[in-house]
Amino acid sequence: TQLLEQSPQFLSIQEGENLTVYCNSSSVFSSLQWYRQEPGEGPVLLVTVVTGGEVKKLKRLTFQFGDARKDSSLHITAAQPGDTGLDLCAGGDGNKLVFGAGTILRVKS
Amino acid sequence: GAGVSQSPSNKVTEKGKDVELRCDPISGHTALYWYRQSLGQGLEFLIYFQGNSAPDKSGLPSDRFSAERTGGSVSTLTIQRTQQEDSAVYLCASGPGTKNIQYFGAGTRLSVL
Repeated sequence: TQLLEQSPQFLSIQEGENLTVYCNSSSVFSSLQWYRQEPGEGPVLLVTVVTGGEVKKLKRLTFQFGDARKDSSLHITAAQPGDTGLDLCAGGDGNKLVFGAGTILRVKS
Repeated sequence: GAGVSQSPSNKVTEKGKDVELRCDPISGHTALYWYRQSLGQGLEFLIYFQGNSAPDKSGLPSDRFSAERTGGSVSTLTIQRTQQEDSAVYLCASGPGTKNIQYFGAGTRLSVL
């Protein structure tokens, strides 16, 4: 069974700070996705990375896929209160996704 | 609306009762997934439908859980003889069937008393 571990589990920071959350596995994934989930809502896809070493930027968010396609990171620059939520990584496993437990992010104004 | 719709949004039931959860996928999406999310946990895969192929039921936790998808569209997840440990948010997602692109509904919060 492929597993994804996310760290930290919980992060509380002030508005304007930078942060990085990590997603690690001992398994290789064909692709890796990051989702954000707000309370009472379903996860919303932020990005998909498929190539080892790939870096994608989405405004203040930078996503990186490890060279060996076993790990990924999400870096947020100048965090905003609107970034508050649950950040989930998910690895492609055939026709399914394997999800990590998520990082709960709280950005205080 | 154009998104994935799930109903009911909340369901409270008594232990031992059966429940049915409904998912209306995005029109034209051939893939449909059910997940379970417990408090503080990630999403646990339950079942996957793709077109007319036999569903992948490998994530169903017990034979009390079943799901069907009628006409390649609406799906129903049924939990028989509910137990307290079944309490969770049940999420449905649909997608075009490629590259694991999935769009999620808001979920059904199930509480078993």
